[in-house]
Amino acid sequence: GEDVEQSLFLSVREGDSSVINCTYTDSSSTYLYWYKQEPGAGLQLLTYIFSNMDMKQDQRLTVLLNKKDKHLSLRIADTQTGDSAIYFCAERTNAGKSTFGDGTTLTVKP
Amino acid sequence: DGGITQSPKYLFRKEGQNVTLSCEQNLNHDAMYWYRQDPGQGLRLIYYSQIVNDFQKGDIAEGYSVSREKKESFPLTVTSAQKNPTAFYLCASSMIREVYGYTFGSGTRLTVV
Repeated sequence: GEDVEQSLFLSVREGDSSVINCTYTDSSSTYLYWYKQEPGAGLQLLTYIFSNMDMKQDQRLTVLLNKKDKHLSLRIADTQTGDSAIYFCAERTNAGKSTFGDGTTLTVKP
Repeated sequence: DGGITQSPKYLFRKEGQNVTLSCEQNLNHDAMYWYRQDPGQGLRLIYYSQIVNDFQKGDIAEGYSVSREKKESFPLTVTSAQKNPTAFYLCASSMIREVYGYTFGSGTRLTVV
């Protein structure tokens, strides 16, 4: 079945890099996503990666995909206090639905 | 601007009442979804619809009902059969074969009083 797992909390100092990890189980996943949720708001798509890629960089964000281990990570360079939020990993299979992890709460300390 | 709108932002329900949460999108997306989010938990899928006049149950459909009479609209009714409805409800939409993920609304917080 489909399952997406993330660690629940991460705390970093402003200016450091943050790395949020995710593992998934469905080998037919075609697309993998990272979403950001600020308090009391909906989810905002941050970035995505296709399953035939192993890395994608978008400004301060770097996504790494290890398809063999079914491991996805999101690195945020030069983390700012405005990056404090909940980050969700999600996979999408050919069936069209997405499965979300439970989210990682990132706290950035000044 | 295109987007997805949920209303109301806050909703209070008395015991035994049915309430309906609105979700409207003008993105011309085919698929729409309803998720429930509880504190410290991820998103759990309630219902989804990939085409007008058709919808499927998600993982936690009991106590909820939906309709999809128009492409733009996917209202969710929380019935009195839902014993623990207090939660944050999120609506999302996407194209069927969209690779760019979901677009989410800003959510409705439902509280039982």
